Amino acid sequence: DTEVTQTPKHLVMGMTNKKSLKCEQHMGHRAMYWYKQKAKKPPELMFVYSYEKLSINESVPSRFSPECPNSSLLNLHLHALQPEDSALYLCASSRLQDNNEQFFGPGTRLTVL
Amino acid sequence: AQSVTQPDIHITVSEGASLELRCNYSYGATPYLFWYVQSPGQGLQLLLKYFSGDTLVQGIKGFEAEFKRSQSSFNLRKPSVHWSDAAEYFCAVCIIGGKSTFGDGTTLTVKP
Repeated sequence: DTEVTQTPKHLVMGMTNKKSLKCEQHMGHRAMYWYKQKAKKPPELMFVYSYEKLSINESVPSRFSPECPNSSLLNLHLHALQPEDSALYLCASSRLQDNNEQFFGPGTRLTVL
Repeated sequence: AQSVTQPDIHITVSEGASLELRCNYSYGATPYLFWYVQSPGQGLQLLLKYFSGDTLVQGIKGFEAEFKRSQSSFNLRKPSVHWSDAAEYFCAVCIIGGKSTFGDGTTLTVKP
């Protein structure tokens, strides 16, 4: 299995809602990443987990809360988002954080109303 | 800090023509180099990578890239473009233990 899966594919939420994005991989990778991508822009790194521990937080607002419950799963909890947070959220994984050949999931298209 | 420049925002080629997408990087040593492709609304797919060794690397879908240390470049090429190659292409660099930095991307349009 060489796939990274993400659910849901699309999400529409209000500014007072709480929702979660989910990412899963079964390649035995020990590094997992969250990126945010706006239209016509490159992905921007948000968080990196290495061996289930948060390794990098790119000064992301606290309304985004990552969680890595085990080596195969990565969640992104969303609360009190703003309309400017609407974007494609991409999850990726790599064998190790140092081996940065990343495998990307298809993304979750998030719209904040 | 490392940086990546993709000088061409948009390129249009005819189907069957050759393609070259440019990528220049700035870093004190040789980083790991990658090319990714992204179709609309999709995730990124790795086309090829350079870590060390042979400076001409072959990738998937008939793509290749050449690393030129003297020019700090890692240009992507394909001898004959297919309509299905129309997409966004990102060059990325990564230093050991560090984060990946992506270029701004090049949009490829393929004319019939």
